[in-house]
Parts: sequence; C-alpha cells; structure tokens
Amino acid sequence: ETGVTQTPRHLVMGMTNKKSLKCEQHLGHNAMYWYKQSAKKPLELMFVYSLEERVENNSVPSRFSPECPNSSHLFLHLHTLQPEDSALYLCASRGTVTGELFFGEGSRLTVL
Amino acid sequence: AQKVTQAQTEISVVEKEDVTLDCVYETRDTTYYLFWYKQPPSGELVFLIRRNSFDEQNEISGRYSWNFQKSTSSFNFTITASQVVDSAVYFCALSEVGVLDSGGSADGLTFGKGTHLIIQP
Repeated sequence: ETGVTQTPRHLVMGMTNKKSLKCEQHLGHNAMYWYKQSAKKPLELMFVYSLEERVENNSVPSRFSPECPNSSHLFLHLHTLQPEDSALYLCASRGTVTGELFFGEGSRLTVL
Repeated sequence: AQKVTQAQTEISVVEKEDVTLDCVYETRDTTYYLFWYKQPPSGELVFLIRRNSFDEQNEISGRYSWNFQKSTSSFNFTITASQVVDSAVYFCALSEVGVLDSGGSADGLTFGKGTHLIIQP
C-alpha cells in the first residue's frame, strides 16, 4: 500500500457542482498539505494541517474548503469552481523528524 | 522571503550523456533544508534527497550526485550516464529548519518552477 493515496485520480466537474478530493496517508505523520500545480506555474501551497489543526491558508479562495478529521485523512471540498481552477492537486504528509514531504499521485481536476 | 530559482525550464540530452540541473535559492535563515524531487508523468513527486545547511559535503547515490555550495547558494543535481527513465520534471525545494523540528507548526516547502528533463534514446 502506497504511503499517500489520493482519490479520485481524475475529476471533471461543472462550475456549479460540489465535489471532494480525498487524501489518506499511512505513514503515521502528523502534518498534511494540499498543493496546487498548474501548467507553467510553480507548486502553490494551499493549506497545511498540523496535529489536525489548520496552520496555514495561503489566501486560497473560499470555494476551496479543507477538512482534516484525523491525522490520516485530509479532504478538499470544492464548490462553484472556475475553469482556471483546473490543475493537479497534490496531497502530501510530513514526519516531524526528517522533514521531507511525501506526496500522493495527485488528483487531476478539470472544471468545465 | 524564501525563493528557489531553477533557470533551466527544459533540458534535452541524448541517452548516456551527463546532465546537471541547476538550483539557486534565497533565504534569510542561517539554518535550512534543501530538497530535490522527481515528478514522472504519473504525477507523484518522488523524494530524492534532503540536505541541511550545515552539511556541505557532496553526496553521490548511484548515478545521482548533488553539489551543495553555500557560498553561492546553489544546490545542483547531476545525473551521470543518463537513461530514458530519467525523463521527468525535477524540482528543487527549500524549507526553514526551525519550523521542521518544532513539532507544532508545519510550514510547507518552497519549490522552484521545475526543470523538464528529456532523455532521448
């Protein structure tokens, strides 16, 4: 079983839909992250959760709503998105000792 | 503010050639960590190496080697005898060490824009 699992891998939605991205980590880490990767742009940090509390929100529009019910699961709830929100959304977790992030394979989102 | 610059947007070489990916960083902190990640077409970022700012020894792992030069704020990555499977986007990243070891706060990494490496057969 991979360390960080993201579902769905691909998602197509209309601007009026509501959907959620799910991330699960099996590494025993206590910090989880959402990153956005758009074409020709650097990876953008969206949200950080540490010990299940949100510690960072980098001016992300409210149409993106994160949820971290426990240290192993992280969700990104999506509603009334715009076409420019189409991107690869990457989830990651981090162990407090080593510091590197472990990433999932990402959820490719297309907003029509 | 932290910043990571990967000036090479795309590099294309023929298989078996050596190739170096450049990374230059900016930080006001005296202690920090540097990282390299590989992103194959599947999308997952694969961790390659982590280096702290106190350790300037170069590191070699098989065909991969890393040259950390604190004086020039660079952390370059060299692939020797490149192979087609090395084709991917490679990202350099930076993080402040104080946050990493705090156990409470958990800042993210600052990534460069990535270098798309194409190895032609």
